[in-house]
Amino acid sequence: GAVVSQHPSWVICKSGTSVKIECRSLDFQATTMFWYRQFPKQSLMLMATSNEGSKATYEQGVEKDKFLINHASLTLSTLTVTSAHPEDSSFYICSARPSTAANYGYTFGSGTRLTVV
Amino acid sequence: AQSVTQLDSQVPVFEEAPVELRCNYSSSVSVYLFWYVQYPNQGLQLLLKYLSGSTLVKGINGFEAEFNKSQTSFHLRKPSVHISDTAEYFCAVSLTGGYQKVTFGTGTKLQVIP
Repeated sequence: GAVVSQHPSWVICKSGTSVKIECRSLDFQATTMFWYRQFPKQSLMLMATSNEGSKATYEQGVEKDKFLINHASLTLSTLTVTSAHPEDSSFYICSARPSTAANYGYTFGSGTRLTVV
Repeated sequence: AQSVTQLDSQVPVFEEAPVELRCNYSSSVSVYLFWYVQYPNQGLQLLLKYLSGSTLVKGINGFEAEFNKSQTSFHLRKPSVHISDTAEYFCAVSLTGGYQKVTFGTGTKLQVIP
């Protein structure tokens, strides 16, 4: 149980275009999901907290107009990288957990490797 | 704010030898502690978690960790490693209760040598 599916697993796009990444909770409902970014050989940095039915909460230094987050249902959150540039190339990972407190421990998606050329 | 320190960026160890990956945390309030493993180009998999209760926590793949409040540590151990354990290991911390964001350490690359 507690499976998070992330799509696509990798994407290459041209500079200036937008890319959408999907994060789905397959067997549970997730009112809250988290989006992380990971640079090569570095740790995960939290970008934003995605809340179902309301605006996302962004971490300091993350451009909300560039990284658009939509959490329209209890099982789907999307991250759209708008007007992508080469410096946006990174590994993006989402996470979520069921609301059951006894199962505390976030499940992560398999990640999306974004390359902007 | 809470933080996590993983002092060792890389740990080489021979196959079937024991290993300990160190993690220290900093927080002025109670926290939850986690260890995650990441294989190349993959997401993170939860190895184990400490929420409360027994300070010795057993996880998957033969790993265990001990919560030491006085030393603010949560070191990960395995008595005998396998080649398949080669991966990046992240220690993480979050505040207790509700949907709290998770803060990750910088990671330790475990390299198992045949």
